[in-house]
Amino acid sequence: AQSVSQHNHHVILSEAASLELGCNYSYGGTVNLFWYVQYPGQHLQLLLKYFSGDPLVKGIKGFEAEFIKSKFSFNLRKPSVQWSDTAEYFCAVVDRGSTLGRLYFGRGTQLTVWP
Amino acid sequence: SQTIHQWPATLVQPVGSPLSLECTVEGTSNPNLYWYRQAAGRGLQLLFYSVGIGQISSEVPQNLSASRPQDRQFILSSKKLLLSDSGFYLCAWSVLRGQKGNQPQHFGDGTRLSIL
Repeated sequence: AQSVSQHNHHVILSEAASLELGCNYSYGGTVNLFWYVQYPGQHLQLLLKYFSGDPLVKGIKGFEAEFIKSKFSFNLRKPSVQWSDTAEYFCAVVDRGSTLGRLYFGRGTQLTVWP
Repeated sequence: SQTIHQWPATLVQPVGSPLSLECTVEGTSNPNLYWYRQAAGRGLQLLFYSVGIGQISSEVPQNLSASRPQDRQFILSSKKLLLSDSGFYLCAWSVLRGQKGNQPQHFGDGTRLSIL
């Protein structure tokens, strides 16, 4: 079965600091990759996705992620965080060939940004 | 555009009472539907998924069940709630898009269930 690891459970940064959240997955086949964000009191939202092509994908609010196939990684980055980026971030993976579309989520990383 | 509705937003129930949480999707047909439970620090746990009417698969043994009586309706139920059923429940949907495979899952606002 697939698994997703998010190594940082809680990250605390000051505004304008750079962010990188790690995500590694274990699966030998072709995958689609996602980062979701959950702001306090809100529902889970898609931040960005990777299906194929350019391994560097850009999402909303200045976030980007890079798919490194050889490392089975899909790390999320933002060059300068804002207080409003405080949220929980989830990495997720799905087998592209699966008709069931079962998503495998990491345990999430809580990001706290101090103004 | 597609939307997903989940209700109620908050529910407080006594132990041993029944449960019915409903989720409906609009603007798409034949979606894959999912029920998750989200626990702090533990991410999202997939409970059930469905690829069509009447087709339910369970990921973990538990006190809950799911049904899909209509294409865009997904119901989470229990006959007798346990204290351990407390949590935050999320419904989600996705569709397949040919060779690109599964599109992102889109989530409802969730139901906060408290068992007393």
